Amino acid sequence: DAKTTQPNSMESNEEEPVHLPCNHSTISGTDYIHWYRQLPSQGPEYVIHGLTSNVNNRMASLAIAEDRKSSTLILHRATLRDAAVYYCILRALNTDKLIFGTGTRLQVFP
Amino acid sequence: NAGVTQTPKFQVLKTGQSMTLQCAQDMNHEYMSWYRQDPGMGLRLIHYSVGAGITDQGEVPNGYNVSRSTTEDFPLRLLSAAPSQTSVYFCASRPTLPSSYNEQFFGPGTRLTVL
Repeated sequence: DAKTTQPNSMESNEEEPVHLPCNHSTISGTDYIHWYRQLPSQGPEYVIHGLTSNVNNRMASLAIAEDRKSSTLILHRATLRDAAVYYCILRALNTDKLIFGTGTRLQVFP
Repeated sequence: NAGVTQTPKFQVLKTGQSMTLQCAQDMNHEYMSWYRQDPGMGLRLIHYSVGAGITDQGEVPNGYNVSRSTTEDFPLRLLSAAPSQTSVYFCASRPTLPSSYNEQFFGPGTRLTVL
């Protein structure tokens, strides 16, 4: 399974944009890039996913590098509720397995 | 919809005891899975099922059994609990959609302590 590398922690101020990086240099051509987040004492929650093109939804944007060896999750205006551990995960085509790493712990300050 | 529900929320066992963690979903999802999360770690896949009657092993299946007799339920059995199985257990499900779509829904977790 291809691996991802994320910073252990990041900080942001409320209402500022946050860019969470993820490196996945061994990604294969058919691997999807998924992002989940886990709020304290809760189960993970789906954020966004993509394959090659940048993606936007109501929660966030996903920017994927042209060579697909890295991606960035963008929270446009961080809120206190966005404080969580964010996981970048590669999922192979035609499998349902999500292989979680240790993620990035995001702290948001008022 | 209640989504994915798990019972119990908390459980303490003694070494060697057996128990079953319950997971149910009311969204008619075909795919269900079990993960464990140890302190400061990401989630690790234990077992998963792509439909009633079909199960397969994940990354860390030893010491756990599963079965899937209905679409709604996916119980996880600990055969003989060990302190190394102290963890938080999460159940997840996802709808049957094209493989390009894979939003998984997670339950609230069961915190298990084995003494």
